[in-house]
Amino acid sequence: GAGVSQTPSNKVTEKGKYVELRCDPISGHTALYWYRQSLGQGPEFLIYFQGTGAADDSGLPNDRFFAVRPEGSVSTLKIQRTERGDSAVYLCASSLTRDRVRAGELFFGEGSRLTVL
Amino acid sequence: TQLLEQSPQFLSIQEGENLTVYCNSSSVFSSLQWYRQEPGEGPVLLVTVVTGGEVKKLKRLTFQFGDARKDSSLHITAAQPGDTGLYLCAGGENAGNMLTFGGGTRLMVKP
Repeated sequence: GAGVSQTPSNKVTEKGKYVELRCDPISGHTALYWYRQSLGQGPEFLIYFQGTGAADDSGLPNDRFFAVRPEGSVSTLKIQRTERGDSAVYLCASSLTRDRVRAGELFFGEGSRLTVL
Repeated sequence: TQLLEQSPQFLSIQEGENLTVYCNSSSVFSSLQWYRQEPGEGPVLLVTVVTGGEVKKLKRLTFQFGDARKDSSLHITAAQPGDTGLYLCAGGENAGNMLTFGGGTRLMVKP
């Protein structure tokens, strides 16, 4: 597609439920990032993929959060036993990273707004 | 994790005024990016600066990277209502491709 696509755009769930958020990056982009953004704040880093592997998952808050990118394209962020504090907009971004030293331009999707009741 | 602090957090000005937004850290970054985000959308890149002391201009926007590559500023001349949005700085670490974002400056320009 022309840009980064995220689904669903909105998700309302109950505390304790399992949630999957999907990201379809720009075709050919090798790097994929997940960020979480709370109202009025900047994006908080969660995890970064280079190809199929998680190059940096230091931002995942706990073991309830997990992300995969099995074929190096689409990625899924999985949240188990959701808590009210997980409510936020989850942003996905992709990048065509040629430079191994510094980050290139990140192209963001519109985000998935998660509300845990 | 390297932290980036942005100031001010909120700024409300009249059309035609000038403003400066600051992004500060105690850590050195290999590069620094500025993004603008509108409600319901993802951030969109405005500029990347990589060299200490570098100044880049984008129409009415002037971006500066500090000599020590620890801080940056964004200056907007003659602000317009279309400049309204959340301005985010993001620092790239010396190794790897991870970007750390600041908390953002929410700008409102009133006509």
